[in-house]
Amino acid sequence: SAVISQKPSRDICQRGTSLTIQCQVDSQVTMMFWYRQQPGQSLTLIATANQGSEATYESGFVIDKFPISRPNLTFSTLTVSNMSPEDSSIYLCSVPDREAYGYTFGSGTRLTVV
Amino acid sequence: DAKTTQPTSMDCAEGRAANLPCNHSTISGNEYVYWYRQIHSQGPQYIIHGLKNNETNEMASLIITEDRKSSTLILPHATLRDTAVYYCIVRAGDYGGSQGNLIFGKGTKLSVKP
Repeated sequence: SAVISQKPSRDICQRGTSLTIQCQVDSQVTMMFWYRQQPGQSLTLIATANQGSEATYESGFVIDKFPISRPNLTFSTLTVSNMSPEDSSIYLCSVPDREAYGYTFGSGTRLTVV
Repeated sequence: DAKTTQPTSMDCAEGRAANLPCNHSTISGNEYVYWYRQIHSQGPQYIIHGLKNNETNEMASLIITEDRKSSTLILPHATLRDTAVYYCIVRAGDYGGSQGNLIFGKGTKLSVKP
C-alpha cells in the first residue's frame, strides 16, 4: 500500500487565521482526495486534486475557503482559510492504492479553531 | 448520498465472530462493495472489497448475496482492537472521473467487549 505522511497531526488556531495541511505520498499518484470529518460525523469529500489541473470541489466547498495545491505527483496541500470554530474538524487526504482497488488514508489533521 | 444502509451500532464478545450487515439494494452491475474501518483518531483503513463472489483475506471475509443487494463483513475472531466504525461503500471499480472517490455513510460502530 501507499504510505502517506500528513502534517500537522493537530493544531489549535485562532479564528480568522489560515492553516495549511500537507500530504506527502511515497509513490506517484494521479489523484489525491481531501476529506473533512466533523466531530461525531462521517467523512465528507472536499475536493479531488489532480496534478497539473485545478482541483475539483464538491458541492458546498469553494476554492477561496479551501485552496488546494498539487505541484507534483507525490505532494498536495489543503489550506483552510479565514477559519471559524465551525471549521474545527479532522481533515484527511487519501490516494488510490497502487496494488488494489482500495484507498490509503493519511492519519488526519485534527484542527481546533478557537 | 451514501448508497448503503448499515445498523448504527453493534456489540460483539471478544473471540466471537462479528457479522456486520450492509444493504445496497440500488447497486449497479459495475459497482464493487468495499469495507473500511476507522479506529478512533485514525484515518480509515481498507479491509476488503468484492464484486459478486465471496472474498476472504487475512483481516476478514465478505459475503455478498446472489442478487448483490446486501452483504456481510465477517471478522472471524474479534479482538478488542477491532473496536471501530465500519463503513460499507459501493463504487465503480475504476478510479476515473467522478467515480474516483469514496462516499462514506454513517457506518456501524462495532464495540468488542471482553
